[in-house]
Amino acid sequence: GQNIDQPTEMTATEGAIVQINCTYQTSGFNGLFWYQQHAGEAPTFLSYNVLDGLEEKGRFSSFLSRSKGYSYLLLKELQMKDSASYLCAVVNNAGNMLTFGGGTRLMVKP
Amino acid sequence: NAGVMQNPRHLVRRRGQEARLRCSPMKGHSHVYWYRQLPEEGLKFMVYLQKENIIDESGMPKERFSAEFPKEGPSILRIQQVVRGDSAAYFCASSPGTGNGNEQFFGPGTRLTVL
Repeated sequence: GQNIDQPTEMTATEGAIVQINCTYQTSGFNGLFWYQQHAGEAPTFLSYNVLDGLEEKGRFSSFLSRSKGYSYLLLKELQMKDSASYLCAVVNNAGNMLTFGGGTRLMVKP
Repeated sequence: NAGVMQNPRHLVRRRGQEARLRCSPMKGHSHVYWYRQLPEEGLKFMVYLQKENIIDESGMPKERFSAEFPKEGPSILRIQQVVRGDSAAYFCASSPGTGNGNEQFFGPGTRLTVL
């Protein structure tokens, strides 16, 4: 079966750091994506991890531990425009299907 | 290079009517995926297609829903005899291939409202 869990909502302050966690139990694994989705818009790619460790890209970093079935997205120097939903998605073995978590709605306050 | 195109962006149908959603993948992409997003929920995989072939339709409801990706033209997601529970955002994504790191690029979605 497929099970991907993320917190439903988080609130953080402008300029701060926030970590969004994602745990997964899936029958296959071929990598994990993080997408950002603003209300009413398409999801946009943030990061992809297939090996254990931290991938850094500007203000955003993503971490993966395959043995623990765990990933997190780290957002630094938060800006108001970072208010959005953040979607964790696991790729199946064949690499052709994404299974999404429910998404974490992040609100950045001044 | 235009991104993934979907139309219409908004579609209103009455119960029992048919809904036809179109998706044109990014140039050079031959893999198309359809996802459904119910209000306040995550995206749920429906179907994966390549040109003229349905590869994986494990997420498609068994009745009323069908998808195609013809040799020429856009991919079509068709919902017959729509019901209120079909109201959702339907996203199409495309990729150049599958496997490690093949990012799926998403279109803007079609928001279907069934009255």
